[in-house]
Amino acid sequence: GENVEQHPSTLSVQEGDSAVIKCTYSDSASNYFPWYKQELGKRPQLIIDIRSNVGEKKDQRIAVTLNKTAKHFSLHITETQPEDSAVYFCAAILGNAGNMLTFGGGTRLMVKP
Amino acid sequence: GAGVSQTPSNKVTEKGKYVELRCDPISGHTALYWYRQSLGQGPEFLIYFQGTGAADDSGLPNDRFFAVRPEGSVSTLKIQRTERGDSAVYLCASSLGGVYNEQFFGPGTRLTVL
Repeated sequence: GENVEQHPSTLSVQEGDSAVIKCTYSDSASNYFPWYKQELGKRPQLIIDIRSNVGEKKDQRIAVTLNKTAKHFSLHITETQPEDSAVYFCAAILGNAGNMLTFGGGTRLMVKP
Repeated sequence: GAGVSQTPSNKVTEKGKYVELRCDPISGHTALYWYRQSLGQGPEFLIYFQGTGAADDSGLPNDRFFAVRPEGSVSTLKIQRTERGDSAVYLCASSLGGVYNEQFFGPGTRLTVL
């Protein structure tokens, strides 16, 4: 079936370094790609999103890039801080799947002070 | 303003029992979604409402699961004859509808079936 693959499953970086998380999707008609941050025991919260007609979007230390041809999109966090430590989920609204989100498996990011 | 709320926050039940999980969406949000999140995994779609009607229920795992949204606001997810495999965090989200509007998540209900 249609799905979203996410890598890596865990990522450990030193404070101040950059972190990159990558996702691939199978449906070329997918048109919306949000990223959610989930702290332990808390609800997922949107941190950034990108539409299929845009190649890159940036918000302060966070950026997302989309390669429609290769069907992959990435989250980039620069100058990481300990409070960036959380699980990050990519998601996509697949082309023929209405408005529901299909999530990747998540990346546990650990930022060491 | 108030975000999405869910009750109860935790529910422990015995195998075979019936449970109801409630979701209060953000006021004015016409779209409401139910997802299920197992430990260490991403949320998985269950059902989506646009207004009072279920626009897509393709994610419900079997006929023991049912959801309603009778007045287009509060929604209830109902699980009959619970099984241990139903144990998970059940998340509700709401949005203004459409593809590009943010889905705001509730805190979830942690269901444990003993």
